[in-house]
Amino acid sequence: DQQVKQNSPSLSVQEGRISILNCDYTNSMFDYFLWYKKYPAEGPTFLISISSIKDKNEDGRFTVFLNKSAKHLSLHIVPSQPGDSAVYFCAASSPGNTPLVFGKGTRLSVIA
Amino acid sequence: ETGVTQTPRHLVMGMTNKKSLKCEQHLGHNAMYWYKQSAKKPLELMFVYSLEERVENNSVPSRFSPECPNSSHLFLHLHTLQPEDSALYLCASSQDRLVGAWEQYFGPGTRLTVT
Repeated sequence: DQQVKQNSPSLSVQEGRISILNCDYTNSMFDYFLWYKKYPAEGPTFLISISSIKDKNEDGRFTVFLNKSAKHLSLHIVPSQPGDSAVYFCAASSPGNTPLVFGKGTRLSVIA
Repeated sequence: ETGVTQTPRHLVMGMTNKKSLKCEQHLGHNAMYWYKQSAKKPLELMFVYSLEERVENNSVPSRFSPECPNSSHLFLHLHTLQPEDSALYLCASSQDRLVGAWEQYFGPGTRLTVT
């Protein structure tokens, strides 16, 4: 059973608009969440993270929101740029020596 | 070289072959990981090494055999693979194996095709 779900396999957004990527999780023990971005032929690169003690973390054009009661997090990219076109993975971990659990990813296409 | 490197980038092998994937990290990290990414599936953790000691093995078939001779190098030895083992194999490293606190840095991956 998937503990981290990214239900949208793909998303298209116009350049300059907001991109919203969603992620749901089922394990209430998760306390740390990360977003990774992956270009073709490259490994995933860390983008932004959030601890469960926060509900928002912002870094430039990227903001991650966490709604613990809904077990939902989202990544907002504004304004979206063509270079943001990539696959975005949501990942989560629980306390202790537990590995990251990844979602299947969402392919974002930003159209100029 | 910086970051995490993987060789080869592409590999085609028959089911009776033996091959090895290599990963090297230049970040001074203590933990290294092997992941498998199949089409339309989440990244699957295969192995975790911390300070050259295997600390996690996620029920991976014995035809995959990891080796970590030192904290900078990680190998994945492959033998008698099946076509369903065709996937992208990603290596990652982190400062520590408490992955909740430390971000992982990934290599570019090896695209493996088993014929």
